[in-house]
Amino acid sequence: DQQVKQNSPSLSVQEGRISILNCDYTNSMFDYFLWYKKYPAEGPTFLISISSIKDKNEDGRFTVFLNKSAKHLSLHIVPSQPGDSAVYFCAASFNNQGGKLIFGQGTELSVKP
Amino acid sequence: DVKVTQSSRYLVKRTGEKVFLECVQDMDHENMFWYRQDPGLGLRLIYFSYDVKMKEKGDIPEGYSVSREKKERFSLILESASTNQTSMYLCASRAGGATDTQYFGPGTRLTVL
Repeated sequence: DQQVKQNSPSLSVQEGRISILNCDYTNSMFDYFLWYKKYPAEGPTFLISISSIKDKNEDGRFTVFLNKSAKHLSLHIVPSQPGDSAVYFCAASFNNQGGKLIFGQGTELSVKP
Repeated sequence: DVKVTQSSRYLVKRTGEKVFLECVQDMDHENMFWYRQDPGLGLRLIYFSYDVKMKEKGDIPEGYSVSREKKERFSLILESASTNQTSMYLCASRAGGATDTQYFGPGTRLTVL
């Protein structure tokens, strides 16, 4: 049973435009959400996170939105750059489980010049 | 900078062999994790450890075991490798705070023939 789902395996965006990556979850007890970025032949690197008590967190070109009623979060990248081309994973955790993360399947973003 | 290293980037083994994957972190982190990444499935947790000599099963522990004799080192063991264990294996570590981030190693691409 996939508790965290990324239903779009891939996304293609023009340079300078907005990229929106989506993630849905099923367990309303999750209280912390993260996005990781992964280049080929490298490990994932942390990008941005959001606590369940917030609905938005922003860091430079990256903004994460959380809609708890819909059990949905999204990552917005504005403006998109070719260097953003990577696989993006969303993840969720419970605060009392020692940082154990449950990952989605990933979305491969391609930003074209 | 946190550094998580994995003993091999690429490994080829034969069915039935015993395989050791080593992971070392240099930040005195309490928690360490082993994942496998497969296309369309994202990252799935195999085992994790909260402290030396402690281990917890993740979502897919069958066919694997782990060892954590020292805080900085977390080993994943495939007792008798099978072809369905061909995958990318990723190690991660984190400090013990509720919202601390997981830092990943570069991964080991294991092929079992």
